[in-house]
Amino acid sequence: QKEVEQNSGPLSVPEGAIASLNCTYSDRGSQSFFWYRQYSGKSPELIMSIYSNGDKEDGRFTAQLNKASQYVSLLIRDSQPSDSATYLCAVNTINQGGKLIFGQGTELSVKP
Amino acid sequence: DAGVTQSPTHLIKTRGQQVTLRCSPKSGHDTVSWYQQALGQGPQFIFQYYEEEERQRGNFPDRFSGHQFPNYSSELNVNALLLGDSALYLCASSRSSSPEAFFGQGTRLTVV
Repeated sequence: QKEVEQNSGPLSVPEGAIASLNCTYSDRGSQSFFWYRQYSGKSPELIMSIYSNGDKEDGRFTAQLNKASQYVSLLIRDSQPSDSATYLCAVNTINQGGKLIFGQGTELSVKP
Repeated sequence: DAGVTQSPTHLIKTRGQQVTLRCSPKSGHDTVSWYQQALGQGPQFIFQYYEEEERQRGNFPDRFSGHQFPNYSSELNVNALLLGDSALYLCASSRSSSPEAFFGQGTRLTVV
């Protein structure tokens, strides 16, 4: 079992729809959870951090964490073609700057 | 405020050669981590430096070594390059008090 798993996609949604990206992790000691966006040929960009169960909203992005189910998700409302990218889920088990464990990423394509 | 900067952006090396990659963290950040990202995969943790010492190490051979300088900048050295070392090498900086990590633009290494 991989430590962090994501559906590789591609996930295709029409412009204006909600894109839902999912991630599961295996280590119950995981404490910090992150979503990065990576455009083709570029480096990952941090878009959301979440540390406690529940929802965290930032603009069109909502991160959801369920530690009991070891599940974290990212919702993108009113998806735009500019949201087309690979979304990486990352997990940290040490809350003081420890290493990040990444999933393989989910490719999102938003069609105009 | 400059973000994380890496140099060079692209590099072509021959098998068996050695390479040094460089990273300057964001202002106020004292921790530097290095990741290797193969095409279509999530970043893989190589190691992390804090207070000029290697604090954590991922599953990479001793051919991969690093250094952190008093100004918090860092170098990644890879000896005896293999074709399989071809990848995007990412530097991420963070504060020791926070798990949030911010990536530089990366160095694309091609080994021929």
